[in-house]
Amino acid sequence: QKEVEQDPGPLSVPEGAIVSLNCTYSNSAFQYFMWYRQYSRKGPELLMYTYSSGNKEDGRFTAQVDKSSKYISLFIRDSQPSDSATYLCAMSVYYNQGGKLIFGQGTELSVKP
Amino acid sequence: SAVISQKPSRDICQRGTSLTIQCQVDSQVTMMFWYRQQPGQSLTLIATANQGSEATYESGFVIDKFPISRPNLTFSTLTVSNMSPEDSSIYLCSVQGADGYTFGSGTRLTVV
Repeated sequence: QKEVEQDPGPLSVPEGAIVSLNCTYSNSAFQYFMWYRQYSRKGPELLMYTYSSGNKEDGRFTAQVDKSSKYISLFIRDSQPSDSATYLCAMSVYYNQGGKLIFGQGTELSVKP
Repeated sequence: SAVISQKPSRDICQRGTSLTIQCQVDSQVTMMFWYRQQPGQSLTLIATANQGSEATYESGFVIDKFPISRPNLTFSTLTVSNMSPEDSSIYLCSVQGADGYTFGSGTRLTVV
């Protein structure tokens, strides 16, 4: 079993839809959770960073962490064609863990005009 | 956040040869990290490069295959040695910032 599981998609939605992206994990020691967006032929770009459980909102993006269920989500409201990318969840036990983030496989999202 | 320049952006190499990937950061950083992203797979940490000491490799990665240099606080190189088609991947460098880790744009390597 992988430490982090993420549905690879692809996921296709119409413009304006609410998108829900999810990851599950097995290591209960994870405390730091990140979402990255990766456009084709580009490196991952940090979108959201949360510590422990709860919600965090930034514009159209909301990150949720449910540590009891070992489940994290990223919601995108009013999705735009420019949101079309691969979304990667990542997590670690300690923030200063020397870069050893554990990544999900990534979900490919396509937002159709 | 730090700006990372990585090159080459892509290359096609013959099996048995080696390729050196360069990573330049616009600020001084203590640790730099090298990841591999295989087709359809998640990113996997190869090694951590500290200036002035040997790189620390993750399980499954060895120095003979992936030698790393870290001559100063803004630069690092990763060499993929004696390449085989299984080494075809995207290789990324990364540095730690205040709110997470920043990545370079990656090197897309195809071994034929």
